Amino acid sequence: EDQVTQSPEALRLQEGESSSLNCSYTVSGLRGLFWYRQDPGKGPEFLFTLYSAGEEKEKERLKATLTKKESFLHITAPKPEDSATYLCAVWGSASKIIFGSGTRLSIRP
Amino acid sequence: DAGVTQSPTHLIKTRGQQVTLRCSPKSGHDTVSWYQQALGQGPQFIFQYYEEEERQRGNFPDRFSGHQFPNYSSELNVNALLLGDSALYLCASLVLGETQYFGPGTRLLVL
Repeated sequence: EDQVTQSPEALRLQEGESSSLNCSYTVSGLRGLFWYRQDPGKGPEFLFTLYSAGEEKEKERLKATLTKKESFLHITAPKPEDSATYLCAVWGSASKIIFGSGTRLSIRP
Repeated sequence: DAGVTQSPTHLIKTRGQQVTLRCSPKSGHDTVSWYQQALGQGPQFIFQYYEEEERQRGNFPDRFSGHQFPNYSSELNVNALLLGDSALYLCASLVLGETQYFGPGTRLLVL
């Protein structure tokens, strides 16, 4: 059965303190892995799609990487406005998209 | 370019009632997926509509049903509401095989 596990559940960082969020997955025939950002009470905002192991994508202070078993979302020198829940989702051969429970990221000024 | 829109934004119902939620996809998108997101959890896939047909379904009971119209907009219907149906209901639109984009959601509270 397809499964996505995100860690840690919550992460508190000081402004400027870089770190990484982890997304471990088990899926039959990975077709894509997605990262979304979600602010409280709002819909998820698309960040990245990764399609194959070794692929990397960057956007401002965020960089997503993918291996055959996990993906990392690296955040460099974060700012308070980066505080949000970050969701990872996988799209497998069964065509359904499975989400993890997310990592709640808090950046203190 | 308008993104995905959903209505209403908030809704309060009582147990046993029925509810209809609406979604208009992003321009150029022909496929709509619905998700349920409980507090502190990731979105759970309910079903997906393409060409006015239910294309896929997650592990949700038959009380959850949907419809897609010729203009690609969609409705989610939930019958016989339970307290546990309280959640944020998200609509996402896409072109098959490409990235899906989410709307702002409808917050449903069942009392």
